[in-house]
Amino acid sequence: EDQVTQSPEALRLQEGESSSLNCSYTVSGLRGLFWYRQDPGKGPEFLFTLYSAGEEKEKERLKATLTKKESFLHITAPKPEDSATYLCAVTSNSGYALNFGKGTSLLVTP
Amino acid sequence: SQTIHQWPATLVQPVGSPLSLECTVEGTSNPNLYWYRQAAGRGLQLLFYSVGIGQISSEVPQNLSASRPQDRQFILSSKKLLLSDSGFYLCAWRRVFNEQFFGPGTRLTVL
Repeated sequence: EDQVTQSPEALRLQEGESSSLNCSYTVSGLRGLFWYRQDPGKGPEFLFTLYSAGEEKEKERLKATLTKKESFLHITAPKPEDSATYLCAVTSNSGYALNFGKGTSLLVTP
Repeated sequence: SQTIHQWPATLVQPVGSPLSLECTVEGTSNPNLYWYRQAAGRGLQLLFYSVGIGQISSEVPQNLSASRPQDRQFILSSKKLLLSDSGFYLCAWRRVFNEQFFGPGTRLTVL
């Protein structure tokens, strides 16, 4: 059974203080790893898809990386507007579904 | 561009009452459609998915059901709600390479 574990559960950063969120996964045949951002009371917003170890993608202050066992979402010089819950999900050869982790709640203070 | 709509945005229902949540997608044809539930402190749980009109697959046994009467319409229903059905219900559609895009969600509270 596919498993996705995100850490930490919650993270508080000062504005400008860079950090990383972790997503560890166990799947039988990874087809894709996905990062989403979710604001309170809203649906998740798609950020990145990664397909193979060594792949990296960037968007503004966010950079996602992938190894054979985990993915990192690096946040460089975060701003208060980056505060949200970040969700990681995987899809595997076993089916159509995205298997989500429980997320990391990020708070960036001025 | 593609847009996904859900309604209602919020709903408060008594235990034992029926439920109907609707999801529609614009700007694409023959999408794969999904219903998820997000409960407090838990991850997103896949409830149903559909690859075409009238084709529904259930991931979790429960008192909920889904239907797809039209290509871009997906409905989540229940005949009798339970307290445990409370949560945030999300509809999503899938584009190529498995990327899924989510609607704004429906917050359901069962009292």
